[in-house]
Amino acid sequence: DAGITQSPRHKVTETGTPVTLRCHQTENHRYMYWYRQDPGHGLRLIHYSYGVKDTDKGEVSDGYSVSRSKTEDFLLTLESATSSQTSVYFCAISESTRARSEQYFGPGTRLTVT
Amino acid sequence: AQSVTQLDSQVPVFEEAPVELRCNYSSSVSVYLFWYVQYPNQGLQLLLKYLSGSTLVKGINGFEAEFNKSQTSFHLRKPSVHISDTAEYFCAVLKTSYDKVIFGPGTSLSVIP
Repeated sequence: DAGITQSPRHKVTETGTPVTLRCHQTENHRYMYWYRQDPGHGLRLIHYSYGVKDTDKGEVSDGYSVSRSKTEDFLLTLESATSSQTSVYFCAISESTRARSEQYFGPGTRLTVT
Repeated sequence: AQSVTQLDSQVPVFEEAPVELRCNYSSSVSVYLFWYVQYPNQGLQLLLKYLSGSTLVKGINGFEAEFNKSQTSFHLRKPSVHISDTAEYFCAVLKTSYDKVIFGPGTSLSVIP
């Protein structure tokens, strides 16, 4: 299995509070992604990174920010959590964006915003 | 806009029976196609992918998929399912000129003993 960990694995927080999710990889892959998974929607890309300090928005980036200060860590921050951000969040990594480079997924973080 | 459709949200099937999970995509350009599997409480893992060449692609765990360009489909099949195949299956598309994978909504496969 690819070395990807996510922390925390479960979190319950209140509306309006800031939340940071962490993704850590030991594969030295250049690309890292944050997705959210919701019933009926599959996985939707929030943000991705193509190198240290290089990030870009995905299709559902509103309300989220990211940072990547080291190759191995990619942080997802909800500045002020809302109930619509209750979801399961997955981090993924890949060596490149080309199709021959498979994406490897972390175990997920289940976030509940009350 | 590119989209991926998985017509069946849930597919129940008896053990040792064949199964087909359907996937259709909309794109006017060349694409790469993928199937991912998600077992309960786990992340996704790649089942198989089509890049080019033979339209019949074989993956892990006895699954295969066939790319049909004229019908813009990439259906997943297995001739005989096992209890352990119970999982969520996601079809995904990557435009050859793009760099972000688009996932379908998923199909939940339940294998009945």
